[in-house]
Amino acid sequence: DTAVSQTPKYLVTQMGNDKSIKCEQNLGHDTMYWYKQDSKKFLKIMFSYNNKELIINETVPNRFSPKSPDKAHLNLHINSLELGDSAVYFCASSFREGSQETQYFGPGTRLLVL
Amino acid sequence: LAKTTQPISMDSYEGQEVNITCSHNNIATNDYITWYQQFPSQGPRFIIQGYKTKVTNEVASLFIPADRKSSTLSLPRVSLSDTAVYYCLVINNAGNMLTFGGGTRLMVKP
Repeated sequence: DTAVSQTPKYLVTQMGNDKSIKCEQNLGHDTMYWYKQDSKKFLKIMFSYNNKELIINETVPNRFSPKSPDKAHLNLHINSLELGDSAVYFCASSFREGSQETQYFGPGTRLLVL
Repeated sequence: LAKTTQPISMDSYEGQEVNITCSHNNIATNDYITWYQQFPSQGPRFIIQGYKTKVTNEVASLFIPADRKSSTLSLPRVSLSDTAVYYCLVINNAGNMLTFGGGTRLMVKP
């Protein structure tokens, strides 16, 4: 049973296209995230959703838009793709126990923009 | 956000104990320290979390001094399969933002 799953695993596309990455978690967690990991392996948070409400919105281009149809899903839609969008995108979900939070990550989506 | 600083890379040999230290000088009172492990082509995986002193689980130990401005992840008797990137991060007091540093690339050699 996959806790956090992402599709597709690989995505190769042309500049200017619009694409979506899907994420689903079956852990019953309330919060989900999207991260971008660049070629230097830095993990940067992009968005966070808690009970379908956006609670973190880092300074990412508005070409990126998260969409959460329900608590178990947080999809990432990207408009007008650019070369610099090439990276690995990770979805994660988390639960909180008191002040402690643990995140569970998906396997990542490797996006290559040509 | 509490920024973290870790060594970029470390080398070790099988069977040795590995200690990776992370600096977080501006950690806030209610912040927790968490370590994640990432293998190539996979997402990060939670290893251990602590607030102060020492925490131990089946995978690692986490040592946090009284001032909490640093923490040390200790991996006992590493094996080749422990080769990975290890991230230290600090959870802010709102608990809803994780700041990942650059990570430490650990290479375990035979």
